[in-house]
Amino acid sequence: KAGVTQTPRYLIKTRGQQVTLSCSPISGHRSVSWYQQTPGQGLQFLFEYFSETQRNKGNFPGRFSGRQFSNSRSEMNVSTLELGDSALYLCASSGDSLRGETQYFGPGTRLLVL
Amino acid sequence: GESVGLHLPTLSVQEGDNSIINCAYSNSASDYFIWYKQESGKGPQFIIDIRSNMDKRQGQRVTVLLNKTVKHLSLQIAATQPGDSAVYFCGGGKSTFGDGTTLTVKP
Repeated sequence: KAGVTQTPRYLIKTRGQQVTLSCSPISGHRSVSWYQQTPGQGLQFLFEYFSETQRNKGNFPGRFSGRQFSNSRSEMNVSTLELGDSALYLCASSGDSLRGETQYFGPGTRLLVL
Repeated sequence: GESVGLHLPTLSVQEGDNSIINCAYSNSASDYFIWYKQESGKGPQFIIDIRSNMDKRQGQRVTVLLNKTVKHLSLQIAATQPGDSAVYFCGGGKSTFGDGTTLTVKP
């Protein structure tokens, strides 16, 4: 099986712009979670989607949003980018969000906001 | 609220030694805990998990211990190898993670 894929791998944006990141889960996985990883804050949970519905949400401002499509692919959007949004954005997929199955992470999208 | 945290940011061991990486969690953390390994430039990789109704679980060269009395979690790596050099962090469910311990294995 192919692993979790994320596109793009690297991205440079300027303050005020918006960005959309994409995540394709492992085939058959219906749960996709998004995370922000920075050296200062570590790995922080953004949100989880399961069968096109947001099941859980972290403590991030409304500028961070996401969605999941019927094929389980997910996108994350950040509007009005700030310098502090520079980070590695990771997504992870698992089979069933209700049973806490093993999550498989993608390689991440490294976003730099100038 | 929920939180997990690691005791030491770095750990250096000799090849062949056993490594122990620790993590503490707060009252309301998840009912299962996971250890991840993250190598430079890669996403986190699942190592082993443990449910809160267990106190020990073993995998290949790894053992996770859960002490619910003191709210402490540890990862033991037996016969540490250079390929084990990475950042290790614990997680509580899918939404709470520690900061990570950088393990360096000296040949």
